[in-house]
Amino acid sequence: DAGVIQSPRHEVTEMGQEVTLRCKPISGHNSLFWYRQTMMRGLELLIYFNNNVPIDDSGMPEDRFSAKMPNASFSTLKIQPSEPRDSAVYFCASGGREEDTQYFGPGTRLTVL
Amino acid sequence: GEDVEQSLFLSVREGDSSVINCTYTDSSSTYLYWYKQEPGAGLQLLTYIFSNMDMKQDQRLTVLLNKKDKHLSLRIADTQTGDSAIYFCRPGGSQGNLIFGKGTKLSVKP
Repeated sequence: DAGVIQSPRHEVTEMGQEVTLRCKPISGHNSLFWYRQTMMRGLELLIYFNNNVPIDDSGMPEDRFSAKMPNASFSTLKIQPSEPRDSAVYFCASGGREEDTQYFGPGTRLTVL
Repeated sequence: GEDVEQSLFLSVREGDSSVINCTYTDSSSTYLYWYKQEPGAGLQLLTYIFSNMDMKQDQRLTVLLNKKDKHLSLRIADTQTGDSAIYFCRPGGSQGNLIFGKGTKLSVKP
């Protein structure tokens, strides 16, 4: 299995631009999670999906952030417009086993100038 | 809200044992996880313990759970330089309980 795939691995953009992060979960997993990691705040859950349906988006910082999961094999996290304080590493994780384990992708390092 | 606490740093010498501690508040956790994050990488599931167990051993790793005190620990025997990483605990198993600790950075000195 290829594991969770995220793209791009690095993204540098200017303030005000739209950013789209992509995730392909492990085949057969029915849960998908988006996290953000910064030095100051640690690892924060932004949103998670179960069977392609958003279950909890209370961690999404504000309306500039949106996430979609159009099918079981793809999800996007979009930031529009981006701001410097959005700079972080964004992780996608998938899970689906009974023991509630999660498998993380390698992350996307986002820098907003 | 639920909370997970870990000390931020731990430094040990190669060959010594490392003990990383975690306290949590959610008493409904059924599985408790340890993840390892190496520089520039995502979190990797290391091991986990079911809440009705006190201890689980997996090669050099020993997980101890004190459910009464809501205390979880990870012991790494014969710590190697390759064990240098950030270790996260996560009490989980209940829907929506997706809070990670802030992570303990383990530094192993030769």
